Amino acid sequence: DAGITQSPRHKVTETGTPVTLRCHQTENHRYMYWYRQDPGHGLRLIHYSYGVKDTDKGEVSDGYSVSRSKTEDFLLTLESATSSQTSVYFCAMSGAGTEDIQYFGAGTRLSVL
Amino acid sequence: AQSVTQPDIHITVSEGASLELRCNYSYGATPYLFWYVQSPGQGLQLLLKYFSGDTLVQGIKGFEAEFKRSQSSFNLRKPSVHWSDAAEYFCAVGGLNFGNEKLTFGTGTRLTIIP
Repeated sequence: DAGITQSPRHKVTETGTPVTLRCHQTENHRYMYWYRQDPGHGLRLIHYSYGVKDTDKGEVSDGYSVSRSKTEDFLLTLESATSSQTSVYFCAMSGAGTEDIQYFGAGTRLSVL
Repeated sequence: AQSVTQPDIHITVSEGASLELRCNYSYGATPYLFWYVQSPGQGLQLLLKYFSGDTLVQGIKGFEAEFKRSQSSFNLRKPSVHWSDAAEYFCAVGGLNFGNEKLTFGTGTRLTIIP
């Protein structure tokens, strides 16, 4: 969607294992975001990036880390996955202007058993 | 802190009937307001946005929304729904003071269309 892709689209893993989700954009947008979507909670921001190597925490950052070594790639890592991290994860991107909108990827469904 | 309330978790509407989805927000300054739609298994797509100016905004797929500052609301409307409108709808608020990273979403309203 709009030059943003997520991989993998589906993943099943076991508790305690590390997991990395990848978001790739082709629009050269400055901002990138990771959200998680859970029933009854809508979308909640995990981390975001406002440039290469520049990241900050969102509302639900505990247990997650991110990295952005290139403009086009934003990685979300679960260092030791827990069952509470079973969710659908969405990546988004936007330009740097205050009226730039966020464009979303198709999501990654993660199950932690 | 900013917040968004979508009081209706699930709405069922007959095809061809009118639709109104409610959204109330809390924000300490002039808000930026958005409606996104999510079809099953898909990401979110922007329907419409309000930044300033005319309080009645038009979006894609025949949707419109009206910003009412006095009621802190930004309700989404469509005069005649189509079966393809069945999806989940999210209202979101952000603002000039905080920038793109401070977009807060509501919990969503699932729309079912019946023949």
